[in-house]
Amino acid sequence: EVQLVESGGGLVQPGGSLRLSCAASGFTVSSDYMSWVRQAPGKGLEWVSIIYSDGSTYYADSVKGRFTISRDNSKNTLYLQMNSLRAEDTAVYYCASSSGWSLYFDYWGQGALVTVSS
Amino acid sequence: SYVLTQPPSVSVAPGQTARITCGGNNIGSKSVHWYQQKPGQAPVLVVYDDSDRPSGIPERFSGSNSGNTATLTISRVEAGDEADYYCQVWDRSSDHPVVFGGGTKLTVL
Repeated sequence: EVQLVESGGGLVQPGGSLRLSCAASGFTVSSDYMSWVRQAPGKGLEWVSIIYSDGSTYYADSVKGRFTISRDNSKNTLYLQMNSLRAEDTAVYYCASSSGWSLYFDYWGQGALVTVSS
Repeated sequence: SYVLTQPPSVSVAPGQTARITCGGNNIGSKSVHWYQQKPGQAPVLVVYDDSDRPSGIPERFSGSNSGNTATLTISRVEAGDEADYYCQVWDRSSDHPVVFGGGTKLTVL
């Protein structure tokens, strides 16, 4: 059974850092497209970042230069390192995986809440 | 960056058919995927590659895509279908490859 479990969310002050983890089971993170998607309170889904199976990475303009996506194949875990956090980064962060050739997200984690506030 | 446009809300009576549109420039040339999200829950894939359904998704959910509009159709709408629905595409030639629509709130009257 495929499962994604996020951890690492919490309250952080503006300008601070946080690292989210997404532990995968039932498949190999290095073989799929793995992405982070966030949802601010009361808002829609916003794509944040993606890592392809070949290691290529892409970022939304709103986080480029501040966030870094990575994976640890030995731990079968996806990460999102978030630096220079802003109030507008407050959101539930979901990790999602795609096994499809056309990049649809067939599995999602339960979400991790990140609150940026002083 | 590629833009997907959805109506903010759609309302339908139980038993009727709901149609949720997703507009984009020549979206018919892309594969469109649809997600359902209920309050406090993670999104769930309900249609992928324009019209395919993951296992466990009722046949009442169907999709089509042509020209500049993709459509998610929910037949015989039930109260449990009330949720937010998002379309998504892969803009593979872009540095921003994953694109979501703004979402549509489906209200069952």
